[in-house]
Amino acid sequence: AQSVSQHNHHVILSEAASLELGCNYSYGGTVNLFWYVQYPGQHLQLLLKYFSGDPLVKGIKGFEAEFIKSKFSFNLRKPSVQWSDTAEYFCAVTFNFNKFYFGSGTKLNVKP
Amino acid sequence: DAGVIQSPRHEVTEMGQEVTLRCKPISGHDYLFWYRQTMMRGLELLIYFNNNVPIDDSGMPEDRFSAKMPNASFSTLKIQPSEPRDSAVYFCASSLEGGLAGGYNEQFFGPGTRLTVL
Repeated sequence: AQSVSQHNHHVILSEAASLELGCNYSYGGTVNLFWYVQYPGQHLQLLLKYFSGDPLVKGIKGFEAEFIKSKFSFNLRKPSVQWSDTAEYFCAVTFNFNKFYFGSGTKLNVKP
Repeated sequence: DAGVIQSPRHEVTEMGQEVTLRCKPISGHDYLFWYRQTMMRGLELLIYFNNNVPIDDSGMPEDRFSAKMPNASFSTLKIQPSEPRDSAVYFCASSLEGGLAGGYNEQFFGPGTRLTVL
C-alpha cells in the first residue's frame, strides 16, 4: 500500500540551529512531493513542491527540500531556524497523479 | 482571492446533536477535499469531490458522516448524531484540475472548524 512516513514526531531546536526533517514514501510510480506547514492555530500552507526537474527545490522562508529517488526520500532542510518557524510540518505525496497521502506530521519547537 | 472559506470556525455541541460544517472552495477549483485532524490519527482524508461529484468516500468513518456538494461553490459535511470521539479540527481544501484526484496540483486549505462534542 502507498504510504508516507515522517519519522521525527517532535523536534526541539535552538534558534540558528540547522534543521532537517525526514520524509520517506513507499514505491508507487510517478510521485509529486509537497511540504506543508501549519503554524499554531492556523491552516496548512504550502512550503514547497516537487514535480520534476532539479531535485533540489527551494521554497518560501528559506526552506528547501531534496528529492532522492533512490532513497524514496524528500527531506526538508533549513540552514538556520528562527523562533517563528515553530510549527507542524507535513510531507505529502501523490502517486501517479492520484490522491494525496499526508505524513503524520513533525512538530518543530524552536527555542528563542 | 479570499481563499477557502469555512464556517463555523468553532463549534461546541452536545452528544447526539446534528453538526453541519460548511466550505466554500476557491473559485475555479475543480476538486474539494474534506480532512479531519486529531492528535491521535493526524490528518485523515474523509472524502473528495471532483466537479461536485463525490469520488472517494472511503475515509468517511461511518454512516453518521455525510457530505454534499450541491454546486461548485459550496459543500457541507454533516455528522448526525455527533459523538465525543468526533471532536477534531475539520479542514476543507480545494485544488485545480490535474491528474487523477487532483494529484498534480497543490491543495489550498481553509482555516478549519474546531469541533468539540461534549
